[in-house]
Amino acid sequence: QVQLQESGPGLVKPSETLSLTCTVSGYSINSGHYWGWIRQTPGRGLEWIGSIYYSGDTYFNPSLKSRVTMSVDTSKNQFSLKLKALSAADTAVYYCSRFTSAAGFAAYWGQGTLVTVSS
Amino acid sequence: QSALTQPPSASGSPGQSVTISCTGTSSDVGGYNYVSWYQQHPGKAPKVMIYEVSRRPSGVPDRFSGSKSGNTASLTVSGLQAEDEADYYCSSYAGSNNLVFGGGTRLTVL
Repeated sequence: QVQLQESGPGLVKPSETLSLTCTVSGYSINSGHYWGWIRQTPGRGLEWIGSIYYSGDTYFNPSLKSRVTMSVDTSKNQFSLKLKALSAADTAVYYCSRFTSAAGFAAYWGQGTLVTVSS
Repeated sequence: QSALTQPPSASGSPGQSVTISCTGTSSDVGGYNYVSWYQQHPGKAPKVMIYEVSRRPSGVPDRFSGSKSGNTASLTVSGLQAEDEADYYCSSYAGSNNLVFGGGTRLTVL
């Protein structure tokens, strides 16, 4: 069974960079599929951040593209998100997911991690 | 504001049917057959219920069905049960490897 688990800080200061990691178990990232991030806020609902293929090809939400980087570490079966220049509007629950395609549906989700941006 | 428009709430009595709409544009819902629906219970991660407009993943009851007409997609839950009470979100491929979501609909089973 595919399982995903997010890890990272729960509190980040404004203007800083958020770094989150997703550890995948039960499936090898090398085997294919796309891996990505979705966040959820009370005000804006669900928002697709972007996704990455195991080869390193990335696809980002146009509204976040200038602030987002993603990477994959196949040796650890992990992928990561970096979001820079944080503001309070980035406060959200961040989910990592496995997608069927770069911007397809998310068949598997992590449990989510709450990130608060505050000084 | 979300790219796709959903009604904030919907309700029905046990055994009844409820339909939730998801309205977009010809650049997303109307342009591709890649609409998905997710169910989310409080404190839990979303779970895909419908993909590619009307396909159900294994394990999802056939009480859940999806359809699309023009720029509007719909999720119908038939034979409502108490455990169907949850938030439902639609999403659609929007071209150029971009994915958009609706704002969500809270379904209440009366």
